Amino acid sequence: KAGVTQTPRYLIKTRGQQVTLSCSPISGHRSVSWYQQTPGQGLQFLFEYFSETQRNKGNFPGRFSGRQFSNSRSEMNVSTLELGDSALYLCASSFSGGLSYEQYFGPGTRLTVT
Amino acid sequence: TQLLEQSPQFLSIQEGENLTVYCNSSSVFSSLQWYRQEPGEGPVLLVTVVTGGEVKKLKRLTFQFGDARKDSSLHITAAQPGDTGLYLCAGERDTGRRALTFGSGTRLQVQP
Repeated sequence: KAGVTQTPRYLIKTRGQQVTLSCSPISGHRSVSWYQQTPGQGLQFLFEYFSETQRNKGNFPGRFSGRQFSNSRSEMNVSTLELGDSALYLCASSFSGGLSYEQYFGPGTRLTVT
Repeated sequence: TQLLEQSPQFLSIQEGENLTVYCNSSSVFSSLQWYRQEPGEGPVLLVTVVTGGEVKKLKRLTFQFGDARKDSSLHITAAQPGDTGLYLCAGERDTGRRALTFGSGTRLQVQP
């Protein structure tokens, strides 16, 4: 099976702009989660989508939003970018029906805000 | 305060040495996972433990889940430079919703 793919891998944006990141989960996985990873805060949970519905949400401002399509692909949008949004954004998919909730991560999108 | 505390935060050792990384919490987890992340890549799942007291081995890596399901450890025997990376533990709490809480990570460097 192909792994989780994320596009683009690298992105440079200017403060105030918006950005959309894309994630394609492993075939058969219906749950997609997004995380922000920074050196200072580590891996922080943004939100999770399951069957096109946001099922869980972390403590991030409303500038961070996402959606999931009927084929389980997901997008994440950040509006009005701030310098502090520079981070590695990771997408993870999971089967969500097993005994334990295992996450399979993509390579991430490195976002730099200048 | 992190729900999952990992220690040590950094570890630099020579090839061939043994090491143990700890993941501790005051909360009970229904399952706990360990991931390894290399620079510029996403974390890769190494193992999942679900039963208190469970021990799993993956070649030179030994994972243990505490009896009370509040803590876990990762022991590496005869570390190799290829073991270098960021090790993350992540726990799923039995709250009825599927979500993982990640520890802050242990950055391991193995010198040849």
